Amino acid sequence: DAKTTQPPSMDCAEGRAANLPCNHSTISGNEYVYWYRQIHSQGPQYIIHGLKNNETNEMASLIITEDRKSSTLILPHATLRDTAVYYCIVRGYSGNTPLVFGKGTRLSVIA
Amino acid sequence: GAVVSQHPSRVICKSGTSVKIECRSLDFQATTMFWYRQFPKQSLMLMATSNEGSKATYEQGVEKDKFLINHASLTLSTLTVTSAHPEDSSFYICSARGTGYGETQYFGPGTRLLVL
Repeated sequence: DAKTTQPPSMDCAEGRAANLPCNHSTISGNEYVYWYRQIHSQGPQYIIHGLKNNETNEMASLIITEDRKSSTLILPHATLRDTAVYYCIVRGYSGNTPLVFGKGTRLSVIA
Repeated sequence: GAVVSQHPSRVICKSGTSVKIECRSLDFQATTMFWYRQFPKQSLMLMATSNEGSKATYEQGVEKDKFLINHASLTLSTLTVTSAHPEDSSFYICSARGTGYGETQYFGPGTRLLVL
């Protein structure tokens, strides 16, 4: 699976949009981009995933560049409860291939 | 999203004893389950992958005789840490994937193991 690069940490003011970038320049055509987050001492929580089109759900939006070499996770109105480590992971869609976690981005939402 | 549970959430045991952790997919059938371990201030590390009814595939460096994994049904997998030692103290997280939810991988809440 392709490797991803994320900034180690980011701050965001409460109520503002949090934009978390991810580079995946070696992504292949059949690999999806997944985003998870881990709040302290909990298991990772699925947020969203996409292939090439932008995606939106009740939690976030995922913007994938046209060349698919990078993406941005957008939390439209960050709250203190969004403080977590966010992981961007690239993986093929099926089979036994597990998610492999990098170091992620530690997002701190500040009041 | 799909729900994955783990039991117990926290366990303290003496060195040399064995500890069993259960992982259940509550509202879907998990054809594949994964076990991860996380040490403080580190990311999740994959330990093993298991398919229902088959032997688990362990990652390099993970002792299969120490970390026994059983995936006997489509909703239950167990991880047994045999003869636990203090260095096995960690946060153990299971994950499950099934066809019913488009192959997305869902995670349990984790089990914190402390070996004295």
